[in-house]
Amino acid sequence: SQTIHQWPATLVQPVGSPLSLECTVEGTSNPNLYWYRQAAGRGLQLLFYSVGIGQISSEVPQNLSASRPQDRQFILSSKKLLLSDSGFYLCAWSVRAPPYNEQFFGPGTRLTVL
Amino acid sequence: QKEVEQNSGPLSVPEGAIASLNCTYSDRVSQSFFWYRQYSGKSPELIMSIYSNGDKEDGRFTAQLNKASQYVSLLIRDSQPSDSATYLCAVNRRANTGNQFYFGTGTSLTVIP
Repeated sequence: SQTIHQWPATLVQPVGSPLSLECTVEGTSNPNLYWYRQAAGRGLQLLFYSVGIGQISSEVPQNLSASRPQDRQFILSSKKLLLSDSGFYLCAWSVRAPPYNEQFFGPGTRLTVL
Repeated sequence: QKEVEQNSGPLSVPEGAIASLNCTYSDRVSQSFFWYRQYSGKSPELIMSIYSNGDKEDGRFTAQLNKASQYVSLLIRDSQPSDSATYLCAVNRRANTGNQFYFGTGTSLTVIP
């Protein structure tokens, strides 16, 4: 069965510090991978998605970046965090499996920028 | 116009009642449709998927899809306090650039004991 891992679970960082969040998927090959952010009381905002190694699409211009160094690894980074980067960061995966093409979420990382 | 729209609620129902959650989507080429349950502080959990018109039942949950009206609903029968959560509606469109998903902002459901 497929499993998705995210770490760390919680993170408190000062403004201006760097960020690296990691996501790995087990039990599937060539997944589509996604990074979302959910601000408190808000909906899901798609940040990045990837259809393969080294292929990243950015949905929202910001001070965040993403990389996919391996098929089942997706990393979210920032060189300098802003207060507005606080939120719940969710990694998700899907595969092309018609007719459903379901998407599944990891446990998330709660980031607080002070 | 938003891709996916839901009433934000809050929706309150007594224990044992039927909870009805509704969602509309704007793009007719949307191909599959999902309901996620999200407990406070947790990540979304997929509870129902549907891609063809009509009803799909799984235990106490029934998803209903009407593509002509671009409408998806979720019925929860015999609602329990443990069903209290935010329910997210999502739609999928397949593209050359991969699977695209669009989410509503969620409906908050409270089941009152």
